[in-house]
Amino acid sequence: EPEVTQTPSHQVTQMGQEVILRCVPISNHLYFYWYRQILGQKVEFLVSFYNNEISEKSEIFDDQFSVERPDGSNFTLKIRSTKLEDSAMYFCASSAVLAGKPRSYNEQFFGPGTRLTVL
Amino acid sequence: AQKITQTQPGMFVQEKEAVTLDCTYDTSDPSYGLFWYKQPSSGEMIFLIYQGSYDQQNATEGRYSLNFQKARKSANLVISASQLGDSAMYFCAMSDNNNDMRFGAGTRLTVKP
Repeated sequence: EPEVTQTPSHQVTQMGQEVILRCVPISNHLYFYWYRQILGQKVEFLVSFYNNEISEKSEIFDDQFSVERPDGSNFTLKIRSTKLEDSAMYFCASSAVLAGKPRSYNEQFFGPGTRLTVL
Repeated sequence: AQKITQTQPGMFVQEKEAVTLDCTYDTSDPSYGLFWYKQPSSGEMIFLIYQGSYDQQNATEGRYSLNFQKARKSANLVISASQLGDSAMYFCAMSDNNNDMRFGAGTRLTVKP
């Protein structure tokens, strides 16, 4: 069964450093997402991406964050200058465009997550 | 703006019993989807069940069913015949035509033997 993959599984970085989190969505999916989950807290939406551009972003997704689909398979999240409060689990997700289904039906398949630790 | 509320931070249930996890939502969009995800201690997010705002019947998936009360804006998850492996965090989420998904704070379910 196809699945979303993420690398690395755990990233440790120094405050102020740039990190790139990588995701490979399911191959025929067209919508891509990033979420984060601070330890013990709820999952928070960061950004959605469709047709090579950001379709929606939350207030968390400020100028320090960027996303890119550099080729036909990868979807990346870059944090330019990490802060201590960026420490969290980052989930990538993807969903398909489903014929005959309303746009709000978008079962999102989640990757296993990347645990980012900022020291 | 979307808002998802899960008022039960923790729930306990006896093995083989049924349990209901509460979720209420708020949206001004007439078309939306409601989802439940399970997050075991290993951390992955596992999709359980979906309910569309226009669906006439409550969704069911095996031991999971969704008690959808549109007028009350509630979408409670019912797990029947609880198993020890059901112990996990459970998140309610909603997607509207903005195509993103917003999550509730989660409910930690513990199944007791």
